Formats: sequence, C-alpha cells, structure tokens
Amino acid sequence: GDSVTQMEGPVTLSEEAFLTINCTYTATGYPSLFWYVQYPGEGLQLLLKATKADDKGSNKGFEATYRKETTSFHLEKGSVQVSDSAVYFCALSDTGTYKYIFGTGTRLKVLA
Amino acid sequence: KAGVTQTPRYLIKTRGQQVTLSCSPISGHRSVSWYQQTPGQGLQFLFEYFSETQRNKGNFPGRFSGRQFSNSRSEMNVSTLELGDSALYLCASSEDGNYGYTFGSGTRLTVV
Repeated sequence: GDSVTQMEGPVTLSEEAFLTINCTYTATGYPSLFWYVQYPGEGLQLLLKATKADDKGSNKGFEATYRKETTSFHLEKGSVQVSDSAVYFCALSDTGTYKYIFGTGTRLKVLA
Repeated sequence: KAGVTQTPRYLIKTRGQQVTLSCSPISGHRSVSWYQQTPGQGLQFLFEYFSETQRNKGNFPGRFSGRQFSNSRSEMNVSTLELGDSALYLCASSEDGNYGYTFGSGTRLTVV
C-alpha cells in the first residue's frame, strides 16, 4: 500500500541555519503531496502542497519540489528561526481516496 | 473566516464508557475527515464524510463510528472505550476532499 517515510528526528539547528527534512513516498497512483506543521498543543497547519510532478510548493520561506523520479518531496528552508520549532509531517493523498497517509513526523528545534 | 472547531478540547472517560466528539467544518466545506494521533502509531485515518455519506474508512474496529449532518457538521463516537483509545482526535475539512484539508485543534481523549 501507499506509504510515506520521513527522516528521524529530532533535528536541532541554530537560528539562520539551512534546513532540509527528507521525505520519500511509495504510491501506486499519482498522489498529491503535502507538508503540514504542528505546534505544541495545536492541530496541523498546511504548510505547502504540490499536486503533480515537478511542481514546487512554497510558503513562509519553506519550499519542496515534487520529484517523481526519486519519489521524494524534501522540505527546505534557507534560514530557520526559533519560531519554526515544531513537528513537521509529510503526507500524500491519492485522488479519490479523500484521505492522507502521513509520515511519522520530524521534530525541529531551533536554538537562538 | 472561522476555522475548524472541535469540541470539547479535553475529555477524561472511564474504560467501558462511550464518547462523542464534535466537529464544525469551515463554512462551505462539505468534506470532513477524522484522524487519530498517538505517539506510537502517529496519525491514522479514521473516516471521511461528504454530504452525509461516508466515502472512505480506515482500519479501525467497529467501535469507532461517525456521521455527518446536513449542515456538514460531523460527530464521531467511540463505544466501549479502551485504554488504547487515549489519543488526540483531529477533525479536518475541505471543500470536496481533493484540495487539501484544514485541521482543527483536536480533542484530547484520556481513558482511565
């Protein structure tokens, strides 16, 4: 079945460092791909999405490119801030299934 | 506009009891889905409703059920609660289920 694999956390970075969180997927169809962020005590917030191969999603300085050839959707940010500390989830959704399959989440901690 | 509203935010129940959780989607959203989040299993899909019809269901026992009303509000019910049902239950809504979901802050259920 479909699955999403994320890099293990926690990831600890200093402020202004470059961030990469790896995400790879397995899917039988042509899924849409998403990154969500969860702050302590809150639900999930959509960070960015891409619906087809080579699409680049971007928001708040974060970006990720849908790579069909490597089945990847890695999250990047050029300069992280303390306020980016949260748990990041990669997810896929096959059209017509109306559900997400989530990765296990990667906790990011940014130190001042 | 208002986001996805889940009530209550916190619940403590005893084993064997039943519980009903409520979700009010964003105005105009007709698709509502439910997820269970636990430290061990991560985010798992429970079910999705659109226009009062369940379109997809995850791999949970029959003790977990849901419904959607004509105003798109949704409820989920868990009967005969077990300790393992302790989790954060997240509701999410979307216009039609294909363009990304907006999540609520969740209901944290503790079974003692």
